[in-house]
Order: sequence, then C-alpha cells, then structure tokens
Amino acid sequence: QVQLQESGPGLVKPSETLSLTCSVSGGSINSKTFYWSWIRQPPGKGLEWIGYFHDSGTAKYSGPTKYNPSLKSRVTISVDTSKNHLSLKLSALTAADTAVYYCARAPPTMIVPHYFDFWGQGTLVTVSS
Amino acid sequence: QSVLTQPPSVSAAPGQTVTISCSGASSNIGDNTVNWYQQLPGKAPKVLIYYNDLLSSGVSGRFSGSKSATSASLVISGLQSEDEADYFCAAWDDSLNGFYVFGTGTKVTVL
Repeated sequence: QVQLQESGPGLVKPSETLSLTCSVSGGSINSKTFYWSWIRQPPGKGLEWIGYFHDSGTAKYSGPTKYNPSLKSRVTISVDTSKNHLSLKLSALTAADTAVYYCARAPPTMIVPHYFDFWGQGTLVTVSS
Repeated sequence: QSVLTQPPSVSAAPGQTVTISCSGASSNIGDNTVNWYQQLPGKAPKVLIYYNDLLSSGVSGRFSGSKSATSASLVISGLQSEDEADYFCAAWDDSLNGFYVFGTGTKVTVL
C-alpha cells in the first residue's frame, strides 16, 4: 500500500519561499504513469489544487508540470526518483498561503488526472512574521 | 477560484437520505469526469466516487454518484453518524489551459 508523508517548516515568514517534501513509500514514485500533485486547504476552507508532475509524454498537456493558473507564477513542483519524493516550492508567500498542504497521487490516465486515490496526512504551514 | 458550486450544508436524521449537488460548466463537469471526496474532521480527504458513478474500494454502498450535463450529485442513503463530514466534488477543467478544480464543499450534519 502506497503511503505519502509531507514534511517541511511549520512556520515561514512573508515574502519567503516555502519548500515542502513528500516522501513516497510502498511503491515507486513513477511519474511516467501516475500524476503526483500538491493540494492545499486554508484553515476552515475548501481544497485548492496547486499542480502536478507527470512526464509520460502522452498527457494532454506538454511538459511534466501543470500548475493552477492562480499560482503558476510562484510554484515549482519536481520529482526526485532517486529519493522517491515529490517537492513543492512556493515563493513570495503571504498570509493567504497559510494552509494545510497535502501531496496526493492520481492513477494513470492518457489525458488528465481524474481523481486522487492516495493522500498524505497533510502538513500545516503558517505564514507569519 | 472554485467553479464547482455546492450547497454549504445539508442535514438529516439517521436513516434518511441526503443529496448533495455540484453545479459546474461545460469546461469541467460537461467534458470531464466528476469525483467525490469525503473529509472527516482533521483528516485528509478520501475518494468516495470516481469517474462519475464508480464506488471506490471499501466505500459503503450507501454512497452513489451521478452526472447529467454540467451537474452532478452525491447521494447518501441510510445516513449514519459516521457520515458526518465535509464532502467535495471535483473535476478537471479545460479552461485557462487546464487545471483541477474542487467544489466549494458541503458539510453534512447528522441530526
């Protein structure tokens, strides 16, 4: 059974860059089949997809990464297959970026990810000086 | 940014049936599959329904999903106290060069 575990700083300052890691166990972080995503949830609010990493070359969109248009200018998602982990970098932080950050996996599809079948437990990140 | 609209809350007594609606557009629900997630307090979301109406492994048959045009519904029959949670619909949206979108979320309360 695949397990995902997020890790990173719980507190970051405004204007700084957040770096989170998602360690994958119980299976390979095969980015040629699965879509590996980051999703966040501000306290008491709904879910927001941040982006995915998927490099099958057959997906609907070219390139291994796809980001939410509202965050695109500040986000970088990458995969390190040697370490079996997924990373997130989010720059120019503001208080509005305070949220629980989840990593999640979507099963293989030819075109776009449809649903997320495995999730990490989430890690709370607070942006405050 | 959510473009999938759900009622903020629904409630019912144990044993009753509740329906949660999810209203979207041709660029999301109209052209892509709808998926439903349950989020228990303090927990990560868990997929209940995928590809519009398929029940995820291990999920109770009291949950069912459907889709029609640009809307979708999640039905919980025989409501139980353990069903008290937040529920989110979700789909891929082909606008703005593509992104995944979640619904606004619905809090289910068991009276």
